[in-house]
Amino acid sequence: GAVVSQHPSWVICKSGTSVKIECRSLDFQATTMFWYRQFPKQSLMLMATSNEGSKATYEQGVEKDKFLINHASLTLSTLTVTSAHPEDSSFYICGRGGGREFFGPGTRLTVL
Amino acid sequence: SQQGEEDPQALSIQEGENATMNCSYKTSINNLQWYRQNSGRGLVHLILIRSNEREKHSGRLRVTLDTSKKSSSLLITASRAADTASYFCATEGGGGGADGLTFGKGTHLIIQP
Repeated sequence: GAVVSQHPSWVICKSGTSVKIECRSLDFQATTMFWYRQFPKQSLMLMATSNEGSKATYEQGVEKDKFLINHASLTLSTLTVTSAHPEDSSFYICGRGGGREFFGPGTRLTVL
Repeated sequence: SQQGEEDPQALSIQEGENATMNCSYKTSINNLQWYRQNSGRGLVHLILIRSNEREKHSGRLRVTLDTSKKSSSLLITASRAADTASYFCATEGGGGGADGLTFGKGTHLIIQP
């Protein structure tokens, strides 16, 4: 069964609104989780590393004030896309590392 | 993170034929993994090969790793229509600690019945 869940699986929102995506580690306490973004017909790109109890680490070119990450507990990390715009429309996937990485099923965000 | 390269970017073969995809990467690694992604869906883990391994098999899958050339290949034998998907290699860095994965650009495989 799934070891990482993600919610919602899809969301459509208006430009300017904020969207929160939840990622849960179901079977393991994860001090570190990862957030990826995938634009249509492209590969996955690591956006940020979510660390329980400390600030997230963002990859170069990813705006930390736009993509807020909160690792609230050892089983929950959230990604909030603030003031979303159409160019933020993408497939967002979280992952839990440790050798073989376990991924959530992804969240498709469409910003109108 | 820099992405590796995969070739071919797209591959179309007849059902029953073998499909080979290649992946190159740029930095030292702990391991290399291959994933499958059906259109618009999540990732399915296929196989992990460690940096000290050269070849690994899993069912109809065969993966090779050449760390001297920083390259890997994925062979799918006796392909089936259900194998139609995008395939990505992903590397985990050799720097220690918890690192996210660096994905290749992917190969879109189409199996024609």
